[in-house]
Amino acid sequence: GAGVSQSPSNKVTEKGKDVELRCDPISGHTALYWYRQSLGQGLEFLIYFQGNSAPDKSGLPSDRFSAERTGGSVSTLTIQRTQQEDSAVYLCASSLDDGRGYNEQFFGPGTRLTVL
Amino acid sequence: AQSVTQLDSHVSVSEGTPVLLRCNYSSSYSPSLFWYVQHPNKGLQLLLKYTSAATLVKGINGFEAEFKKSETSFHLTKPSAHMSDAAEYFCVVSDRVGGFKTIFGAGTRLFVKA
Repeated sequence: GAGVSQSPSNKVTEKGKDVELRCDPISGHTALYWYRQSLGQGLEFLIYFQGNSAPDKSGLPSDRFSAERTGGSVSTLTIQRTQQEDSAVYLCASSLDDGRGYNEQFFGPGTRLTVL
Repeated sequence: AQSVTQLDSHVSVSEGTPVLLRCNYSSSYSPSLFWYVQHPNKGLQLLLKYTSAATLVKGINGFEAEFKKSETSFHLTKPSAHMSDAAEYFCVVSDRVGGFKTIFGAGTRLFVKA
């Protein structure tokens, strides 16, 4: 079956513009995660969705960042008024959440965001 | 609070020699621990995971890791390195105390010399 897909694969934008990044998780996966990977860095947790529960937004770096997950499936990460430090690869992952965080996360290929 | 420390940013080994990638963690509860691998221009892939069952965990491609609670370590090993093992490796801790959290280590880049 299809894996996690993300679009666009690359996005170049100008400072101050808004961007939307999309994630299509694996069908049937109830948990969805967004991470950011800056050049030469590890992954930084941004936000976690699990079923119909309120998302864990504790990793979002500022109020310019927001995310939605519609119908328990597709998710959109929105960055408003982008800054150069937002440049990174944004990764989405999904998993069958057993409620304990024990399950493997399946990662998408990422969206490379460049803010000029 | 959770944290993950990968003790080496880079490790270089010769093909056919053992691999050791070190990881220490802190967690206030019983964590789940994972190792993921990221090959150049490819997505992250799970190597293995520890979820409170056997402390010695075997993964794909001949890798294994041992959970040592007393040392708060989860080091990744492989008896004999292959050229195709060259990649970035991430140690990950996950638990649900204070809300769900997944913390990635900074990564260890493995170089394999012929």
